[in-house]
Parts: sequence; structure tokens; C-alpha cells
Amino acid sequence: DQQVKQNSPSLSVQEGRISILNCDYTNSMFDYFLWYKKYPAEGPTFLISISSIKDKNEDGRFTVFLNKSAKHLSLHIVPSQPGDSAVYFCAASNNNNDMRFGAGTRLTVKP
Amino acid sequence: NAGVTQTPKFQVLKTGQSMTLQCAQDMNHEYMSWYRQDPGMGLRLIHYSVGAGITDQGEVPNGYNVSRSTTEDFPLRLLSAAPSQTSVYFCASNLAGANTGELFFGEGSRLTVL
Repeated sequence: DQQVKQNSPSLSVQEGRISILNCDYTNSMFDYFLWYKKYPAEGPTFLISISSIKDKNEDGRFTVFLNKSAKHLSLHIVPSQPGDSAVYFCAASNNNNDMRFGAGTRLTVKP
Repeated sequence: NAGVTQTPKFQVLKTGQSMTLQCAQDMNHEYMSWYRQDPGMGLRLIHYSVGAGITDQGEVPNGYNVSRSTTEDFPLRLLSAAPSQTSVYFCASNLAGANTGELFFGEGSRLTVL
């Protein structure tokens, strides 16, 4: 069973506009959520995270929002840049060191 | 600063063959893990270790063995490869655990089982 779901396999946005990537989870025991970015032929790299006690975390152009009641989180990138084109993975973990990942969303930012 | 190093980067096996994917990290991280990435499935946890001598199963452990004799190394063994194990494998590490911070990933090992 996939406990972390990213229902949009791909997203295309224009440079300078906002990119919104969505993620849903089913396990209410998750208490830490992360976004990773992956370029082709490379390993995923950490982008931003949020604890379940918060509803927003911001780091430069990247903001993650958490809605615990809806079991939903989203990543906002504004303004989007061509270098942001990559696959983005949502991940969630709890106290048992079992981090679960979504299937990923391929973001393309067009110049 | 090597970080997490995986070898080999590419490997082709025949069904039934065995092999070991190597993973080493030089950051003195206690936590290490192995994931496989398949299209439409994202990254799935195979096995993980919270320290030398301690290993545990993840989401998809069948067909794989691990051991953790040192803090630095966490090899993944395929005892009898099957076509279903064709995938890209990622090793990751973290200072204290998956629930406390981001994972550092290696560059991946692409395995094809014929």
C-alpha cells in the first residue's frame, strides 16, 4: 500500500510563475515530512522539510505547507526557474525510521 | 568530501546470479538504508540500519540481505537475482535517523536482471 501519494506524474510551468506540487498521505502516525529533488543520473537531494507541529516552513523560493486534517502537503516554488526542472519526491517518516516516498512529480519549467 | 559512495554504477546479471551492491559513507552517520526506485512507485525502502550490528527490514525486503559490520559500510546482497529486481538502487545515510532529518543519497546503482 502506498502511504504517500503524488497523484500528478508531471507538471509544466512557465519561468517566473509559481509551481505547486502536491502530496497526500494516509498514515496519521507520520510526524516529519520532506521534499527531495532529483536530477537524472543523480541521487535525490534534500530540499525542505516540515515537522507535524508546524503548518508552514519557508526557505527562500521554496515553501512547504502542511494540512494535517486533510493529510496533505504541498511545495510551492516561486518564482520558478528552468534549473528547478527535476523530479520532486515527497517523503514522510515516523519514529520507526521508516521513511516512505511518493512516486514523484516531474516538474518542467519552460523559459 | 565523498559523502555516500555506491558501486557499481551499472550491472547486468542473469537470473539466479548473486551479487553485492556496495555502499560506503564517510560522514560518521549512524543510520543507513537502501531504497529501490521503480517507475510509478517512487523510492521503496528495502532494509535499514540504525548502527553497526543492527539491521531491520523495510517495505520490500524479500530477496535481499544486508549486514552492518562497520559504521561506514552497508552492503546489499542479492542471493539469487530475479528479473523483478531490475531497478535503480539508492543507498542513503543520516546522522541520527530517518525521523530526525534529511537523508543523504548516493548516486545510484542501475541493475538489470535478464
